[in-house]
Amino acid sequence: RKEVEQDPGPFNVPEGATVAFNCTYSNSASQSFFWYRQDCRKEPKLLMSVYSSGNEDGRFTAQLNRASQYISLLIRDSKLSDSATYLCVAVPASGGNTGKLIFGQGTTLQVKP
Amino acid sequence: ETGVTQSPTHLIKTRGQQVTLRCSSQSGHNTVSWYQQALGQGPQFIFQYYREEENGRGNFPPRFSGLQFPNYSSELNVNALELDDSALYLCASSLTGGPDEKLFFGSGTQLSVL
Repeated sequence: RKEVEQDPGPFNVPEGATVAFNCTYSNSASQSFFWYRQDCRKEPKLLMSVYSSGNEDGRFTAQLNRASQYISLLIRDSKLSDSATYLCVAVPASGGNTGKLIFGQGTTLQVKP
Repeated sequence: ETGVTQSPTHLIKTRGQQVTLRCSSQSGHNTVSWYQQALGQGPQFIFQYYREEENGRGNFPPRFSGLQFPNYSSELNVNALELDDSALYLCASSLTGGPDEKLFFGSGTQLSVL
């Protein structure tokens, strides 16, 4: 079983739609969670951190459910420019500084006109 | 622009050869992490260097090795290349490598092994 699992998609949605991505992680001791965005074969870029209280950044809302080991990302009013791969990330708890990120496979979003 | 630069951008090698990839970290960052991203997969952690010492390693064989220099730039070396080593290799720097720190990724080196 992969440590971080995502539905690879693709998700094809029309402009203006609301779309939700889900992700599960297997290590209950994971301590930090993020969503990254990656455009075609370019470097991943941090989209937002994910907290149990939920956090919102404009049209994007991220949520963490520790009990279910589940992370979500909601995108409202989708734009063509939102087309990308969205990577779910967990950071394992560990002693010392490792900064090791565990990435999911990524979910591909294609927003159509 | 993240300030993290990688070279070369593309590379073609044949099976059995050796390769060295280079990364210059963002100014002020003393931690560099390397990731391998195969097509259709998420990046996988190879190892991290903190102040010139290896500080964490993923599930990669010993033929993947690295180095960090006093200026905190880094190299990734891969010996005895295999076809499955074909991937995008990403370097990321951070201030101290802590779990909540933002990583700044370079644009990667695309390695093709024939």
